[in-house]
Amino acid sequence: AQTVTQSQPEMSVQEAETVTLSCTYDTSESNYYLFWYKQPPSRQMILVIRQEAYKQQNATENRFSVNFQKAAKSFSLKISDSQLGDTAMYFCAFMKLGISGTYKYIFGTGTRLKVLA
Amino acid sequence: DAGVIQSPRHEVTEMGQEVTLRCKPISGHNSLFWYRQTMMRGLELLIYFNNNVPIDDSGMPEDRFSAKMPNASFSTLKIQPSEPRDSAVYFCASSLWRLGQPQHFGDGTRLSIL
Repeated sequence: AQTVTQSQPEMSVQEAETVTLSCTYDTSESNYYLFWYKQPPSRQMILVIRQEAYKQQNATENRFSVNFQKAAKSFSLKISDSQLGDTAMYFCAFMKLGISGTYKYIFGTGTRLKVLA
Repeated sequence: DAGVIQSPRHEVTEMGQEVTLRCKPISGHNSLFWYRQTMMRGLELLIYFNNNVPIDDSGMPEDRFSAKMPNASFSTLKIQPSEPRDSAVYFCASSLWRLGQPQHFGDGTRLSIL
């Protein structure tokens, strides 16, 4: 069974600094997708970034980038030049779509990030 | 583009009452998901639909919970009778049933059962 683990329940970072949030997953699949979502205090769930397992190149979206290590089953999120608005809960998610149509979209337990002024 | 629309945004009701949460998915999306989020249990998938058909309801906690999707643009999650432990934020999300397509979430309904 697929699992997603976020081992850091809480983190903090100074404004303008860089922070890395970790995520590991377990799967026997070869093709799947990984996502990071952000949930600010307003409670919206916002998609931050997406990575396809077949792509070796790490995805980047402005100040957000990932370090995808397929062999290690690791998918960390790096936030550069942290801003106060980055304060949120961050969730890692794993997705696969099986041949028989089975659909899996599994979320980790989240990391609460606080950006300090 | 309109996102996933949930109503109401907040609901406060007394124990034993029936509660109905509503969701309008993004137009064109063929999959719909209901989640519950609490501090204790995190984000839990309750049920999901593909082409209006329930695919997996193994996350529905009890028979008091039911969900319907009568058409591609509307779904409801009903709790009857409600209990204080049902207090949570309930999210609806929609997606295309295709590998790589992310789920798009509504703003959630904060439910408080007194």
